[in-house]
Amino acid sequence: QQQVKQSPQSLIVQKGGISIINCAYENTAFDYFPWYQQFPGKGPALLIAIRPDVSEKKEGRFTISFNKSAKQFSLHIMDSQPGDSATYFCAASSGNTGKLIFGQGTTLQVKP
Amino acid sequence: NAGVTQTPKFRVLKTGQSMTLLCAQDMNHEYMYWYRQDPGMGLRLIHYSVGEGTTAKGEVPDGYNVSRLKKQNFLLGLESAAPSQTSVYFCASSLRRLAGYQETQYFGPGTRLLVL
Repeated sequence: QQQVKQSPQSLIVQKGGISIINCAYENTAFDYFPWYQQFPGKGPALLIAIRPDVSEKKEGRFTISFNKSAKQFSLHIMDSQPGDSATYFCAASSGNTGKLIFGQGTTLQVKP
Repeated sequence: NAGVTQTPKFRVLKTGQSMTLLCAQDMNHEYMYWYRQDPGMGLRLIHYSVGEGTTAKGEVPDGYNVSRLKKQNFLLGLESAAPSQTSVYFCASSLRRLAGYQETQYFGPGTRLLVL
């Protein structure tokens, strides 16, 4: 049972464009929603995260939009750059163990 | 600080062989995790530990065992490797989660395992 569903699986965007990756979750107990960025051959690294008491969080060119009623959240990358080409994972967590449930991942390619 | 390190980086095993993956962190983190990453499936939690001497099962624990004898180390063991365990294994660590607040998980560089 996939508790966090991510789409699309892959995404190609032109330099300067907007990249949008979507995630949907099932468990209403989730209270932390991070996005991780992974470059080839490296481990994932935290990019940005949001709690369900806010609808949007922005850090530089990266924005998370959160819709609690729809149980969906998305990552928007503004002015996408070739250096943003990576795999992006959404995740969700609840409880006091810090366990993360990850989405399937989205491979982003930004064309120059 | 080295952060989270994993040993080895790459290993080839034959079916039925055993091995241990080592994860070490120098950030004094209480929590440690082992994930496996497979194409199209994201990262899935194998086992985790919320403190020295404690371990618990994650989403996909079958075929794996873990130990956390020291706070800074978290070992993942495969007693009898199977081709289905071919994957990339990531270790992560974080500070203890306080109520209503989530600490960042820091990941190691991964161990690529091929089971023939």
